[in-house]
Amino acid sequence: DAKTTQPPSMDCAEGRAANLPCNHSTISGNEYVYWYRQIHSQGPQYIIHGLKNNETNEMASLIITEDRKSSTLILPHATLRDTAVYYCIVRVAGGHGSSNTGKLIFGQGTTLQVKP
Amino acid sequence: NAGVTQTPKFRVLKTGQSMTLLCAQDMNHEYMYWYRQDPGMGLRLIHYSVGEGTTAKGEVPDGYNVSRLKKQNFLLGLESAAPSQTSVYFCASSYTVWTVMNTEAFFGQGTRLTVV
Repeated sequence: DAKTTQPPSMDCAEGRAANLPCNHSTISGNEYVYWYRQIHSQGPQYIIHGLKNNETNEMASLIITEDRKSSTLILPHATLRDTAVYYCIVRVAGGHGSSNTGKLIFGQGTTLQVKP
Repeated sequence: NAGVTQTPKFRVLKTGQSMTLLCAQDMNHEYMYWYRQDPGMGLRLIHYSVGEGTTAKGEVPDGYNVSRLKKQNFLLGLESAAPSQTSVYFCASSYTVWTVMNTEAFFGQGTRLTVV
């Protein structure tokens, strides 16, 4: 599985957009980019995922660069409840027989602090 | 629909004791995972399973065993607990990665284990 690199921490003002970057320069063609977050000590929560096109759902937007070596998670209007650790993960999708099929490896993540 | 349920939520063990953590999911997911999370760190994959009757090692498998006798259950065993295994344990499940539209993982709420 490709490794990801994220800044350890970021601050964001409440109501402003939070842009969380992730580098995944060794990503391969059959790997998707996933984002999860973990609030306090709860179990991680899925946010969004994508392959190469930009994606948007009710929680966030995911922007993936054309070369797929990096991506940005955007929380358009951050609230205090968005304070959490955000994890960027790349994961093999598709095909039986891959030695990495099924693995879901987390890195250190970015601690986002939303401030009033 | 309970999602992913972990049992127990808290446990204190003495060094050398054994115990089994149970993870149950009611979403008919093929993949299941066990992670540990230590203070200030991200989640590390212990073992995972890509289907009933199969298991595979993750990043930190030593000192743990797993079994997936039924599709809905994934058991994590500690044969001889050590203080280094004091941690919060999370279980997760997901559909197979080639089910592209629904590959996000769902997590349980965690088991806090202390080994004294």
